[in-house]
Amino acid sequence: DIQMTQSPSSLSASVGDRVTITCRATQSIRTYLNWYQQKPGKAPKLLIYAASSLQSGVPSRFSGSGSGTDFTLTISSLQPEDFAIYYCQQSHSSPVAFGQGTKVEIK
Amino acid sequence: QVQLQESGPGLVKPSETLSLTCSVSGDSISTYYWSWIRQPPGKGLEWIGNMYFSGNTNYNSSLKSRVTISGDTSKNQFSLNLNSVTAADTAVYYCARLMMYGSGWGDEAFDIWGQGTMVTVSS
Repeated sequence: DIQMTQSPSSLSASVGDRVTITCRATQSIRTYLNWYQQKPGKAPKLLIYAASSLQSGVPSRFSGSGSGTDFTLTISSLQPEDFAIYYCQQSHSSPVAFGQGTKVEIK
Repeated sequence: QVQLQESGPGLVKPSETLSLTCSVSGDSISTYYWSWIRQPPGKGLEWIGNMYFSGNTNYNSSLKSRVTISGDTSKNQFSLNLNSVTAADTAVYYCARLMMYGSGWGDEAFDIWGQGTMVTVSS
């Protein structure tokens, strides 16, 4: 099974900061990588699919990159509503797997 | 606007069967793929399985022996049955639509989610 590891597990940042979250797969998943945002008590929300494609309605400050085993999610200018937990997820092979999450907190 | 809503008991006894239903509005379960995902309290997300419009299913190997996902097109619902539950199955259970953004295996992402329902396994 493919395992997904995110780093860091948590980070503190200020409004306006550029934030980068990393996700690494245990084997190549080409670009079969999705990113989700989850706020407390809510369901996850799809942000990025296929490593770099922005889901409809998601602000352009979110971007994704990478291929193979290493991927990044970047928030170009952190907004108050972006404080949440972010998960990566591989869809390359079954069982699909999520990373453990990265909590973005207010500094 | 597509909406998903989970329903079912919030408390299940150990060794019994957890049964949940996802009601879909704004779309037909016959035209997409559908999934169940769970999240233990304070922990990450675990994929349970998918149901395809062909009727085929695909389950997480860690749960495969205990899981059944099925659909009822007349009610536009799909269901999850997880048998022989233990406290480790305590979680928020989400149903989700699996968006196919391409034609290849793996060209998929969970684009619409239900609000989730908390299920506690306890006697």
